[in-house]
Amino acid sequence: KAGVTQTPRYLIKTRGQQVTLSCSPISGHRSVSWYQQTPGQGLQFLFEYFSETQRNKGNFPGRFSGRQFSNSRSEMNVSTLELGDSALYLCASRLGENTDTQYFGPGTRLTVL
Amino acid sequence: DQQVKQNSPSLSVQEGRISILNCDYTNSMFDYFLWYKKYPAEGPTFLISISSIKDKNEDGRFTVFLNKSAKHLSLHIVPSQPGDSAVYFCAASASRETSGSRLTFGEGTQLTVNP
Repeated sequence: KAGVTQTPRYLIKTRGQQVTLSCSPISGHRSVSWYQQTPGQGLQFLFEYFSETQRNKGNFPGRFSGRQFSNSRSEMNVSTLELGDSALYLCASRLGENTDTQYFGPGTRLTVL
Repeated sequence: DQQVKQNSPSLSVQEGRISILNCDYTNSMFDYFLWYKKYPAEGPTFLISISSIKDKNEDGRFTVFLNKSAKHLSLHIVPSQPGDSAVYFCAASASRETSGSRLTFGEGTQLTVNP
């Protein structure tokens, strides 16, 4: 069974631009979560989508948004990029229950210049 | 407020010996704990998990121990192998809460296993 895939793997943007990242979960998984990893803040939860609905949200500004499609694929959007948004963005999928293990994709490395 | 803490940023052990990685948490609502291994430029790889109804879970060379009264868990790797060298993250969730789907991560411990 294929793992979680994320595209693109690397991205360079400039301040003020917006960016869209994509995540395809493991087949059959209905939940997709997004995390941000930075050297200073570690791994932080952004949000989770389940059956096309946002089920949970972390403490990030409204510039960070996401959505999930009927095939469980998810996209994350960051508008008006700031230098501090440079990070590794990780997507994780699981079947759907809170105690299900989350499996991570390889991440998208975003650099904001 | 760091709810999950891994106080050792790094650990170095000899091949064949035991590696013990520690993790402490403060949120008493946490009831599900996981360990992930991460290589540079890759996503975290799931290793092992434990529910708060247990105090030990074993999977091959990996064993996780949970001490609920001390709010402490540890990952034991026996025997350690050079391929185990990576950053290890402890994560926790409060599965019964509305926020139960989110994982709270520790800062990570860099394990180096020397041949």
